[in-house]
Amino acid sequence: QVQLVESGGGVVQPGGSLRLSCAASGFTFSSYGMHWVRQAPGKGLEWVAFIRYDGSNKYYADSVKGRFTISRDNSKNTLYLQMNSLRAEDTAVYYCAKDRIRVRIDGFDYWGQGTLVTVSS
Amino acid sequence: DIQLTQSPSFLSASVGDRVTITCRASQGISSYLAWYQQKPGKAPKLLIYAASTLQSGVPSRFSGSGSGTEFTLTISSLQPEDFATYYCQQLNSYLPEFTFGPGTKVDIK
Repeated sequence: QVQLVESGGGVVQPGGSLRLSCAASGFTFSSYGMHWVRQAPGKGLEWVAFIRYDGSNKYYADSVKGRFTISRDNSKNTLYLQMNSLRAEDTAVYYCAKDRIRVRIDGFDYWGQGTLVTVSS
Repeated sequence: DIQLTQSPSFLSASVGDRVTITCRASQGISSYLAWYQQKPGKAPKLLIYAASTLQSGVPSRFSGSGSGTEFTLTISSLQPEDFATYYCQQLNSYLPEFTFGPGTKVDIK
């Protein structure tokens, strides 16, 4: 069965960096686009970043552009999110999510359990 | 940027009720809309994609409709396991941002 397992969350000071990982299994990882979505405590969902199945296209939310970098290693079935210059407002549970189909983006059909990032001094 | 609004933001209903949630987009997004259900402490679950197509395994009491700027999610007969927060999401990849609506919390009356 499809599994997405995030790791790498924790407490970091403002201005610091953190790298999240998402280990994928149960499907052909190299065939699907992947996303990061976050949710601040008690708040709604915010889409963060997308990477195409082959890594050739990447999109970011304006709120993280220039600070976060999405990447993937298809040989390791792993998705990453490098987060630099972290701010208090980046505090959230970060989910990785899989595109439902390869040919277009029309929904995220599998999600990980999330990893909590807390930015605080 | 495309903005999504949802109404109502909070809904109190009873088991067996018919429930409708509306999602409006600030500009036309054709049928590039999905609906998710999220329960406390859990990841979201995809219910509907392409505005009206039921995701595999989702009960048929859930349905979606609409196109352009106005969309609805309907639960025909609310069940105890349906009490949750519901989010719409626009997926127009011509504008590479995949915004979520603010959510509608469905609570027990």
